[in-house]
Amino acid sequence: GAGVSQTPSNKVTEKGKYVELRCDPISGHTALYWYRQSLGQGPEFLIYFQGTGAADDSGLPNDRFFAVRPEGSVSTLKIQRTERGDSAVYLCASSTDPRGEQFFGPGTRLTVL
Amino acid sequence: QQQVKQSPQSLIVQKGGISIINCAYENTAFDYFPWYQQFPGKGPALLIAIRPDVSEKKEGRFTISFNKSAKQFSLHIMDSQPGDSATYFCAAKSGNQFYFGTGTSLTVIP
Repeated sequence: GAGVSQTPSNKVTEKGKYVELRCDPISGHTALYWYRQSLGQGPEFLIYFQGTGAADDSGLPNDRFFAVRPEGSVSTLKIQRTERGDSAVYLCASSTDPRGEQFFGPGTRLTVL
Repeated sequence: QQQVKQSPQSLIVQKGGISIINCAYENTAFDYFPWYQQFPGKGPALLIAIRPDVSEKKEGRFTISFNKSAKQFSLHIMDSQPGDSATYFCAAKSGNQFYFGTGTSLTVIP
């Protein structure tokens, strides 16, 4: 079956602009995670959804970052007033439940010029 | 502060050799320790995982050794193959959060 998909695969934007990154989890997976991976580093936790609600958003670096999952399936990570330091690969993962194996998408490479 | 410390940063092994990657942690609340394999341009994929109530888990050529008292765990890849060349991440889970190591770039020379 289809895995986790993320769009776009690449996004180039200018400093100060707003961006939206989309994640389509595996069908039926109730848990969804967003991570940020900087070059040469491991994924860094941003936010976790269980169903429609953000069960843990403690990893969001500041209030420029926001994520939604209105129907408990697709999720959108929103970044306002982008900064060059936001440049990274943003990964999404889903699982059947919080204790289940996480399946990662291919990521969106965000470049802020 | 890095919650999970991983070493080495890079590793070169001959085909057929054993690859060993080590991780250490401090937080005793961690209750799940997975290893992920990542190829360029792809997301990480779960390789093998262990819970702290066992000291070793083996799946095919991949083995996790877990030392709870030392707060260390390691990945052993037996009979390493060129197709194993990738970046490997250890991770540890507490509550809803996964904490990843900084990764090890493994190159297996034919």
